[in-house]
Amino acid sequence: GESVGLHLPTLSVQEGDNSIINCAYSNSASDYFIWYKQESGKGPQFIIDIRSNMDKRQGQRVTVLLNKTVKHLSLQIAATQPGDSAVYFCAENNAGNMLTFGGGTRLMVKP
Amino acid sequence: DVKVTQSSRYLVKRTGEKVFLECVQDMDHENMFWYRQDPGLGLRLIYFSYDVKMKEKGDIPEGYSVSREKKERFSLILESASTNQTSMYLCASSLLGLGWSYEQYFGPGTRLTVT
Repeated sequence: GESVGLHLPTLSVQEGDNSIINCAYSNSASDYFIWYKQESGKGPQFIIDIRSNMDKRQGQRVTVLLNKTVKHLSLQIAATQPGDSAVYFCAENNAGNMLTFGGGTRLMVKP
Repeated sequence: DVKVTQSSRYLVKRTGEKVFLECVQDMDHENMFWYRQDPGLGLRLIYFSYDVKMKEKGDIPEGYSVSREKKERFSLILESASTNQTSMYLCASSLLGLGWSYEQYFGPGTRLTVT
């Protein structure tokens, strides 16, 4: 989930299991949401995005779910692999071309 | 593929030095952004630009300035570096958000240490 302050939430899963990373967003007027993956020493990379007129969107092994009622976003990763180990960020767009990022969640995959 | 490059991966500077961080994108994107990233704080927007010679302050502009003389290049300037500016700096670019997506494309980052 979202982090507060200096501590990054960590999710530890077994290889092959499904992972669910959660994100609470702040602005009910946000109309676009995006998930990024950031591996150590690299810049964030796009995973999947969704607009507010959708509840669900699927990609390859990933699904994003949007619950506007409770302002909640989740990223599901199927059959998690060691290469999925990274920090995952959600972001929302509610003004112009800017994104507001959450604090991130670290995913650790145990072999 | 969109490519965003940053001039340095690692940089060590002394307090009081003027520091230039350069970013170049090759996809003719209108928007460019500078963020800093600190552990547990996510990405915080320093400045952004939506056109050549245009700039807007983000959430934490103090101690920074920017320059965008050409569409593909966006520079971040630390006029007088301080130790609290030690951080990872990320540059990003995006198309003007007229379509479906506001996706930003990120560079690899510059880890700046100010001693």
